Amino acid sequence: KAGVTQTPRYLIKTRGQQVTLSCSPISGHRSVSWYQQTPGQGLQFLFEYFSETQRNKGNFPGRFSGRQFSNSRSEMNVSTLELGDSALYLCASSLGAGETDTQYFGPGTRLTVL
Amino acid sequence: AQKVTQAQTEISVVEKEDVTLDCVYETRDTTYYLFWYKQPPSGELVFLIRRNSFDEQNEISGRYSWNFQKSTSSFNFTITASQVVDSAVYFCALSGTTSGSARQLTFGSGTQLTVLP
Repeated sequence: KAGVTQTPRYLIKTRGQQVTLSCSPISGHRSVSWYQQTPGQGLQFLFEYFSETQRNKGNFPGRFSGRQFSNSRSEMNVSTLELGDSALYLCASSLGAGETDTQYFGPGTRLTVL
Repeated sequence: AQKVTQAQTEISVVEKEDVTLDCVYETRDTTYYLFWYKQPPSGELVFLIRRNSFDEQNEISGRYSWNFQKSTSSFNFTITASQVVDSAVYFCALSGTTSGSARQLTFGSGTQLTVLP
């Protein structure tokens, strides 16, 4: 079974631009979660989608948004990029039906904001 | 609020030594789940184990073993006879079952393990 895939793997943007990251979950998984990893803050939860609805949200500004499609694929968007948004963005998928299913992670998208 | 503490920032051992990675957690949930993930230099988080709060039985998988002690809120991870390929950052994580804690992982800061040949 194929794992979680994320595209692109690397991105370079400048301040003020916006960016869209994509995540395809493991086949059969209906929940997709996003995490941000930075050297200073570590791994932080952004949001979780299940059946095209945002079910959970972390403490991030509204510049960070996401959506999920009917095939469970998810996109994450960051608008008006800031230098501090430079990070590894990790997507994780899980079955989604239980209160806490195991999350399986993709390889991440490394975003650099100049 | 939930919290996971991994006090060991970096550990360096020589191949074939045993090494234990510590994890201490805080949660108000009576039911919760604990996880360990491995992050090699490639960046992907690799799932290692999941433990339910109501199951304190220790687990062994090959060279890996986990010691869950609810009384001390600890979930420690031991690698026996370490190998160079074990070099990675290891994260302990916690997920609760109430609003604000369910279906999201709270991670510790990670422990960088270096196994020297």
